[in-house]
Amino acid sequence: GQNIDQPTEMTATEGAIVQINCTYQTSGFNGLFWYQQHAGEAPTFLSYNVLDGLEEKGRFSSFLSRSKGYSYLLLKELQMKDSASYLCAVTDGDYKLSFGAGTTVTVRA
Amino acid sequence: NAGVTQTPKFRVLKTGQSMTLLCAQDMNHEYMYWYRQDPGMGLRLIHYSVGEGTTAKGEVPDGYNVSRLKKQNFLLGLESAAPSQTSVYFCASTSEAQETQYFGPGTRLLVL
Repeated sequence: GQNIDQPTEMTATEGAIVQINCTYQTSGFNGLFWYQQHAGEAPTFLSYNVLDGLEEKGRFSSFLSRSKGYSYLLLKELQMKDSASYLCAVTDGDYKLSFGAGTTVTVRA
Repeated sequence: NAGVTQTPKFRVLKTGQSMTLLCAQDMNHEYMYWYRQDPGMGLRLIHYSVGEGTTAKGEVPDGYNVSRLKKQNFLLGLESAAPSQTSVYFCASTSEAQETQYFGPGTRLLVL
């Protein structure tokens, strides 16, 4: 089975940094995705980690530790438009994704 | 290049009615998926397809059927809608490399 946990909500101030953690216990693991989803819209791809370590893409970075079943998404220099849900998803390599329930991030001025 | 499109965007059904949701992608992707998204539960996989003419059950397949007669289309059917099927339905597709799934805009379904 798949068990993917992430916090329900986080609040941060504009310009600050927020770290969203994701822990997983899955029957198979091939990689971990992070998606962003604004209210009423479709999820959009942010990052994909297969190997251990940190991947940086502009203001967003994603980290993976396969041995610990742990990932985080780091959002730097927060902007109001970053207010959204952030979804952690694990692929078992068998064409399917299992999603966590998502973390709603609210950015305050 | 429209990506992934879904029809309709919104629908209200009465209990027991049937309907079909259409998903179309123009990226020549092999793999297509139907998810439902409910508050606090994240995206759950209903059915998926790894190629034209093939379908498989996901995590929550009961009450739904699917067909993939053409590579670019993936249909989700509800034969007898129930209030528990009130949800937002997303279709997604991906290529052989599976480095990301591309999602459609969603269909909001209300079953009364």
